[in-house]
Amino acid sequence: DVKVTQSSRYLVKRTGEKVFLECVQDMDHENMFWYRQDPGLGLRLIYFSYDVKMKEKGDIPEGYSVSREKKERFSLILESASTNQTSMYLCASSLTGTSSFAYEQYFGPGTRLTVT
Amino acid sequence: GQNIDQPTEMTATEGAIVQINCTYQTSGFNGLFWYQQHAGEAPTFLSYNVLDGLEEKGRFSSFLSRSKGYSYLLLKELQMKDSASYLCAAGLSGTYKYIFGTGTRLKVLA
Repeated sequence: DVKVTQSSRYLVKRTGEKVFLECVQDMDHENMFWYRQDPGLGLRLIYFSYDVKMKEKGDIPEGYSVSREKKERFSLILESASTNQTSMYLCASSLTGTSSFAYEQYFGPGTRLTVT
Repeated sequence: GQNIDQPTEMTATEGAIVQINCTYQTSGFNGLFWYQQHAGEAPTFLSYNVLDGLEEKGRFSSFLSRSKGYSYLLLKELQMKDSASYLCAAGLSGTYKYIFGTGTRLKVLA
């Protein structure tokens, strides 16, 4: 079974702090994703990575950065946390599909981040 | 642009059948996913359709019409544990990305 783990289930940080969220997958997936999920807004893509050291911005990258030094690990960094970054953060991984076929994403349990 | 729509909330009775609809508009498409998400938990994969037609998996079935940009998830013999949010998501061909709907919250009543 694919397993995606995230470093914390709950996190409370102060405004201005640097925050690191880590995600690890054990199925040798090429692609890894960071989303945030807010009520009424659904899942919004922050960043994704399709290979080691490769990354692309998603729909809402402002205020975030990412790092992928090893294939199994994808980190999300909040450079200076703000209250509007209070959210549920979900990591996911998948194999790479083709132009006519896509693979499902496997999600980690999520990190509920509160910035005060 | 890229867009996915699904109803916000639905209510049904235990033992009944419910159909959750999803419409999408994407520039490039390589399949439609359905996920189930219980409150406070991560989404889990339910089904994938890339060709037109119906895919059946036990109590759950999913349908796709590519020409209409339309899909539905059909849940039969509803159980209380089916109370959850159901997310539809489209794969975007030529990218590694997926676009998610905002989810349909299903309440199953006794």
